[in-house]
Amino acid sequence: DTGVSQNPRHKITKRGQNVTFRCDPISEHNRLYWYRQTLGQGPEFLTYFQNEAQLEKSRLLSDRFSAERPKGSFSTLEIQRTEQGDSAMYLCASSLGGGLSAPQHFGDGTRLSIL
Amino acid sequence: AQTVTQSQPEMSVQEAETVTLSCTYDTSESDYYLFWYKQPPSRQMILVIRQEAYKQQNATENRFSVNFQKAAKSFSLKISDSQLGDAAMYFCALMNYGGSQGNLIFGKGTKLSVKP
Repeated sequence: DTGVSQNPRHKITKRGQNVTFRCDPISEHNRLYWYRQTLGQGPEFLTYFQNEAQLEKSRLLSDRFSAERPKGSFSTLEIQRTEQGDSAMYLCASSLGGGLSAPQHFGDGTRLSIL
Repeated sequence: AQTVTQSQPEMSVQEAETVTLSCTYDTSESDYYLFWYKQPPSRQMILVIRQEAYKQQNATENRFSVNFQKAAKSFSLKISDSQLGDAAMYFCALMNYGGSQGNLIFGKGTKLSVKP
């Protein structure tokens, strides 16, 4: 069990640029979740996948946000035309199934800073 | 809407003492789960303890235990024999399992400091 891996750890970009983050879940985990955590707040759910299917995306913050999990393994989260308010920690979590018996394992997160 | 409220932004405890972190929640679902996660500074979120709403018995994991009061919608975390390594942000989280989502709804967190 190598844990959930997120890259990059930090991303600094200018306002208006596009950014993409990658998440590699624990290998046998079929569910993958994306959360956003701003300073002083708990993580906020954005979207999740079961295998390659994106089963919930209504919580994505705007149409500038999109996520993919093309082969049911790693996932990417893209933010287009970044804005100052997008500065946050973006967390990925994975689980084997859902519910109590399948707790979510979190990665270290990608910290996004918008200049 | 489901909400989780942690009313204590910061708490402090002396090493080896006991501390209780509060959490209240609101949900209209009858079937749900509750969690406490720990987030050390600049490190990943770690599951501390979990509780099924339909179980009366309070969950216990070594020095960590919960006081689950379903009618009051309260889910507090007790840390016994506090250690320096317990210093972290602690998040209470709710998961409804009526549908297929399974996403966590977090509170704002409580920052726990442990004094030597």
